[in-house]
Amino acid sequence: DAGVIQSPRHEVTEMGQEVTLRCKPISGHDYLFWYRQTMMRGLELLIYFNNNVPIDDSGMPEDRFSAKMPNASFSTLKIQPSEPRDSAVYFCASTYLGYYNEQFFGPGTRLTVL
Amino acid sequence: SQKIEQNSEALNIQEGKTATLTCNYTNYSPAYLQWYRQDPGRGPVFLLLIRENEKEKRKERLKVTFDTTLKQSLFHITASQPADSATYLCAAYHGSSNTGKLIFGQGTTLQVKP
Repeated sequence: DAGVIQSPRHEVTEMGQEVTLRCKPISGHDYLFWYRQTMMRGLELLIYFNNNVPIDDSGMPEDRFSAKMPNASFSTLKIQPSEPRDSAVYFCASTYLGYYNEQFFGPGTRLTVL
Repeated sequence: SQKIEQNSEALNIQEGKTATLTCNYTNYSPAYLQWYRQDPGRGPVFLLLIRENEKEKRKERLKVTFDTTLKQSLFHITASQPADSATYLCAAYHGSSNTGKLIFGQGTTLQVKP
């Protein structure tokens, strides 16, 4: 298995632009998580899905962030409009059997908003 | 609010010694704790999971303990090697019986010197 796939790996954009991050979970996994990692705040959960349905989005910073999972093999995290404080590494992770099970992380997308 | 605390200072040890990393949690009692390893520029990789009714868990050179009285988990690497150098993240499960999420500590960086 290729593991969790994320694209792009690096994104540099200007403030105010729309940013879309993409994730393909491991086949057969029914939970998908979006995290954000910064030096100041560490690794924070933004939102997670179970069977393509959003379960907990309490970590989404504000209305500028939105996430979708149209099918079991694809999810997007969108930031519109982007701001410099959104600069971070965004990770997607997936798991199966339960939200408490070991999570498999993707390589991350490093986002820089100028 | 729920908090996971790990030593922010890097841990430097000599090859062959045992490394011990600490994870303390406050304001709640997690049912599960997980430990992950993260290398620079990569996503976290799952190492071990321990449940609240388990005092200790082992996997090869790794050992994790869970002390619900002290609200603490210890992570040990015996016979440490330079290849063990990385950041180690503690994560505690938080939630109800039907939904939940992992709350991550900031991580402790381990440097093993030859």
